[in-house]
Amino acid sequence: KNQVEQSPQSLIILEGKNCTLQCNYTVSPFSNLRWYKQDTGRGPVSLTIMTFSENTKSNGRYTATLDADTKQSSLHITASQLSDSASYICVVSLYGNNRLAFGKGNQVVVIP
Amino acid sequence: GAGVSQSPRYKVAKRGQDVALRCDPISGHVSLFWYQQALGQGPEFLTYFQNEAQLDKSGLPSDRFFAERPEGSVSTLKIQRTQQEDSAVYLCASSLNRGRETEAFFGQGTRLTVV
Repeated sequence: KNQVEQSPQSLIILEGKNCTLQCNYTVSPFSNLRWYKQDTGRGPVSLTIMTFSENTKSNGRYTATLDADTKQSSLHITASQLSDSASYICVVSLYGNNRLAFGKGNQVVVIP
Repeated sequence: GAGVSQSPRYKVAKRGQDVALRCDPISGHVSLFWYQQALGQGPEFLTYFQNEAQLDKSGLPSDRFFAERPEGSVSTLKIQRTQQEDSAVYLCASSLNRGRETEAFFGQGTRLTVV
């Protein structure tokens, strides 16, 4: 069973609309959680990082939240743009051994 | 260079052929990771180096997969006797390995297609 589960698997949204992506994890011990954006044919690029004590982190139109008690995170995209079409991957870092546990990604398609 | 560089970007191999995939990490980065990403899936861990030491190879799917980083910088992932199920994007990442917020930087990947 994957230690990082993301939902929805894919979604289509209209340009200018908002959307929220979910990430649930069972990874332990927890070090930090990152959201990566992966454009087609490219490597993942980090959007946000949150450690255990942080609840929210913003990067432009991207806002990530973290509830370490329930082991849930979300990524909210505000006023979506066509360039937001990508896969958004939730990545949890394990404390102590530098391993990364990846979700399968949320595939977002923004249409005009 | 400015980022993690992988070569080749694309590789088509006949089944049974051996392949070698190269990763040039960011200069000075201690940690280096290899991941395998199947179409429509998230990356799956293969192996991890700290300098030249391979500390974790638990993700390598079979003994046909071999990785090395002899001088603690450039790394090569070798796949022997390739099979169709090896077709995937192979991603390399490197990081400084300093503290909880150390970021892993990814290369663009090598797309391997076994025919």
